[in-house]
Amino acid sequence: DGGITQSPKYLFRKEGQNVTLSCEQNLNHDAMYWYRQDPGQGLRLIYYSQIVNDFQKGDIAEGYSVSREKKESFPLTVTSAQKNPTAFYLCASSKNTGINEQFFGPGTRLTVL
Amino acid sequence: KQEVTQIPAALSVPEGENLVLNCSFTDSAIYNLQWFRQDPGKGLTSLLLIQSSQREQTSGRLNASLDKSSGRSTLYIAASQPGDSATYLCAVVRNFNKFYFGSGTKLNVKP
Repeated sequence: DGGITQSPKYLFRKEGQNVTLSCEQNLNHDAMYWYRQDPGQGLRLIYYSQIVNDFQKGDIAEGYSVSREKKESFPLTVTSAQKNPTAFYLCASSKNTGINEQFFGPGTRLTVL
Repeated sequence: KQEVTQIPAALSVPEGENLVLNCSFTDSAIYNLQWFRQDPGKGLTSLLLIQSSQREQTSGRLNASLDKSSGRSTLYIAASQPGDSATYLCAVVRNFNKFYFGSGTKLNVKP
């Protein structure tokens, strides 16, 4: 089955810890995205990558970091500099050509203890 | 900056009713517009995508329309069912890969 997987589904972090959220896709998509969703709000873009070894900051990149060493993988690290990291994190991908329809993973819920 | 608004924020209807969800955006220079469904605690599922050159798209009981000049899109759901209960989000795409999302309409279809 082609799709996007995210792990873990639930993640708990202590104050001052860095944590890494995994995102993998087997859709052969060039572009990948990380969004943050807070209750009652729309999605806000954290980072996106159009191609391997390249990525750009989105609207709320402070306190987050990413890497794109492989086409299939786009991990997100939530650093201790992110003051309010409790949220639902969604990874997405798209072809980056043609119609450019976006597809989403199941999400990771991060809670800071 | 592109602003996307979805009204109403919540909607409750009896089963079988036809309904319309609204999405408005401030900048008409869009690449395409995508409608999604989100179930509680889940990711987004793509429903329909309308390219900027198109006026509407249909899939089963769903029909989405786009009027770029007025900055509006509507999602029409025919003969609603309890299984349609979810949050519906629209996303406007600018510059090919910049997606701007509305905050969604939470739909409840009562049996």
